[in-house]
Amino acid sequence: EAEVAQSPRYKITEKSQAVAFWCDPISGHATLYWYRQILGQGPELLVQFQDESVVDDSQLPKDRFSAERLKGVDSTLKIQPAELGDSAMYLCASSGTNYGYTFGSGTRLTVV
Amino acid sequence: QQQVKQSPQSLIVQKGGISIINCAYENTAFDYFPWYQQFPGKGPALLIAIRPDVSEKKEGRFTISFNKSAKQFSLHIMDSQPGDSATYFCAASINTGRRALTFGSGTRLQVQP
Repeated sequence: EAEVAQSPRYKITEKSQAVAFWCDPISGHATLYWYRQILGQGPELLVQFQDESVVDDSQLPKDRFSAERLKGVDSTLKIQPAELGDSAMYLCASSGTNYGYTFGSGTRLTVV
Repeated sequence: QQQVKQSPQSLIVQKGGISIINCAYENTAFDYFPWYQQFPGKGPALLIAIRPDVSEKKEGRFTISFNKSAKQFSLHIMDSQPGDSATYFCAASINTGRRALTFGSGTRLQVQP
């Protein structure tokens, strides 16, 4: 079964440092999403890509967060500088031509 | 702005019992309503989904009931098993343009043996 790949699985970083997460969606899925899930809450959208274009980044804290999907395949989400409140699970998901959305296993970020 | 409200926050059910989780939405443009199951340290996994043109969908022990006029939908887990112990999220989206999912706040289900 096809999967959404994310790395790293876990990341511990110090406050004010830069951190980056990588996502490889299911082959052929044109739409890619980055979500943030704070412990005990539901995932919240950060950014949505259609191919290499940003469709929705209205909830992305653009002063410190950036996301790119240069060739319309894999994607990178960056935080610089990281803050204590950024500690969360960062989830990537992709969707194709049907209604399904497939999530990766996520990157657990801890900012100390 | 919470567009999908989920209850209860936590639920304890005996093995073999029925687990019921409820969600209500506000945006009438939503046209896709999935339920996700999430185990600790894992990403959400699609359990079952429904579109607003049907009132009920059943897959094995899992059933979605959908009430379009009330803007509510619920998940029923029949014959609940300890392996069902997880966090369940309802979600909704506008499929046109493949809009992102809006999630509920989650229900932590514990099935006691």
